[in-house]
Amino acid sequence: GEDVEQSLFLSVREGDSSVINCTYTDSSSTYLYWYKQEPGAGLQLLTYIFSNMDMKQDQRLTVLLNKKDKHLSLRIADTQTGDSAIYFCAETASGGSYIPTFGRGTSLIVHP
Amino acid sequence: DSGVTQTPKHLITATGQRVTLRCSPRSGDLSVYWYQQSLDQGLQFLIQYYNGEERAKGNILERFSAQQFPDLHSELNLSSLELGDSALYFCASSAGTSGGPNTGELFFGEGSRLTVL
Repeated sequence: GEDVEQSLFLSVREGDSSVINCTYTDSSSTYLYWYKQEPGAGLQLLTYIFSNMDMKQDQRLTVLLNKKDKHLSLRIADTQTGDSAIYFCAETASGGSYIPTFGRGTSLIVHP
Repeated sequence: DSGVTQTPKHLITATGQRVTLRCSPRSGDLSVYWYQQSLDQGLQFLIQYYNGEERAKGNILERFSAQQFPDLHSELNLSSLELGDSALYFCASSAGTSGGPNTGELFFGEGSRLTVL
């Protein structure tokens, strides 16, 4: 099975909050990331969190980590049409080469 | 602009052929990673090079090979192409000093879209 799982689609109304969820299996994960891919572009790092943190906030973005349940979420406040993109969850494990393992990505569609 | 350059952006070829994808990492980055993105497999790690040496191998087929040159650019060679090799191939680079990214941040190029007919 996959190491990192995400739902494939999320649709929200402009101005609402979006919450994108991710689960991972590797209990030795050290870093967990959210990347954003806009149409026709490569992935770009949005934010990351160390595994010893529970929460990280960066402007409209809030990352929550539940290490016990191996669950990571990304909340986007006041979602805008420009936030429409694919969001990838990724993790790296300690003791290895620190190469990120990505989920399949969640397509966020923001409609007026 | 991530600073990572990939060429070509689009490539259409026939089954059985061989292609080469090229990647120039961000200035100063020693590590280069290749990923394959397809609808059914998602984003799959293929291979990593660090300062000219192979560092890690993922789900890379034997028909595929890569190398990193002294000027740090990298090439991914895909041979005996099959329809299923149609995908978006991403190159990424990182600033890791020991072969792994410091915080895990990879800088991605825009990808090379390969279509095999």
